Formats: sequence, C-alpha cells, structure tokens
Amino acid sequence: AQSVTQLDSQVPVFEEAPVELRCNYSSSVSVYLFWYVQYPNQGLQLLLKYLSGSTLVKGINGFEAEFNKSQTSFHLRKPSVHISDTAEYFCAVTQLYNTNAGKSTFGDGTTLTVKP
Amino acid sequence: SQTIHQWPATLVQPVGSPLSLECTVEGTSNPNLYWYRQAAGRGLQLLFYSVGIGQISSEVPQNLSASRPQDRQFILSSKKLLLSDSGFYLCALKDSISYEQYFGPGTRLTVT
Repeated sequence: AQSVTQLDSQVPVFEEAPVELRCNYSSSVSVYLFWYVQYPNQGLQLLLKYLSGSTLVKGINGFEAEFNKSQTSFHLRKPSVHISDTAEYFCAVTQLYNTNAGKSTFGDGTTLTVKP
Repeated sequence: SQTIHQWPATLVQPVGSPLSLECTVEGTSNPNLYWYRQAAGRGLQLLFYSVGIGQISSEVPQNLSASRPQDRQFILSSKKLLLSDSGFYLCALKDSISYEQYFGPGTRLTVT
C-alpha cells in the first residue's frame, strides 16, 4: 500500500520570504509524484509533477519541487511567496505497477498562509 | 483541453433527503472519472471511480452511490442524506498516461 504524509498542516510565512512544504511518501513500487493547489471554494489544479528524468521539477507560479528517492520525499519550494499564494497544497502519489497501478493517494494538505 | 463541469455549485439539504450531483466532461472521450469528498480542513477521500459507461468501483462503503449513464457523465447520488455527508464534492478525470488529474469546480453540500 502507498501512503503520503505532509509533515506540516499549516505554514504561516511573510510575503517575499521563502517557503518549503514537506511531503514524504511510502510505496513498494515506482510512483509518479504531484503537487496540487486549491484556492478557497475551488477545485484542485496541478502545480507540478515528477514522472521521470531530472529530479528537480519546475511548475507554475514559480514553484519547484525536488524528488529524493533515497529519502522518499518530494518537497515543494518557492524562493519568494506572494499574498496570492495563500491556499491549500496537496501532495499526491500514483502507483505505476501491480494491481493498484494508476491508483492515487493524496496527503491531508498543507495550508499556506502568506502574511503582509 | 478537457473541461469538467459540476452542478450545483452549492446545495443545502435536510437530513434524510435524496441527493443527486452531476459531473460532465468536455474535450475528451472515454475518461477515467472520480468522485472525491473533502471534509472541512481535511484531505481528499476517494469515493468512486469509473473507467467506462456502467462501470463503477466503490472505495468506501457508505450511503452514497454513483452511476455513469453516458461516457462523459458521472452522477453521485444518495437516497437519504446523513449529517456526515456534508462536505465539498469534487469530480475529477485522470490522464491515462501521466496520471495527472483534472478537477471540476466542486459542489459544496451542507446537510442540516
């Protein structure tokens, strides 16, 4: 079985400061990794994804994430946040093989609050 | 590109009343479709998924059901709502190659 742990439920940060949202996962087989963002009362939209290749992936709105296979982590970072980045962020993994191929698991989310 | 529509956007229903939430998809055919529920301050709970017309898989036993009468239509139903059914319901489709998911705008259900 696969699982996703987002280590921080809430992250408050001041505008223009850097931020890191942490995500660890567990899976017995290879996975694809995703970060989604959800603004209040909206659906989720994809920020970035890791499928293969370079372990540093860049996404929309200046976010990036680094896949670390040995630590089974996929932390999300942004060097300078804006008020508009205030939202809920979800890490997700999708298993690639065996009977659960294609099954996705989401973390519980991290609320990022950017203060002026 | 694909677009997902959900309606209604918000719904307030009394306990014991029936429910029908609709999800329709444009811009793709034969999509893999999903219903998720998001309780206040919580993550996403997968309720149902469908790989084709009439094919429904349930992830969590409860008083909800799902149907897929057409290729691009996915319906979530209940005969009698419970207070615990309150939440934000999201319909999504999954790309069959990248496994990226595309979400609809959601339906906010409040059971009173």
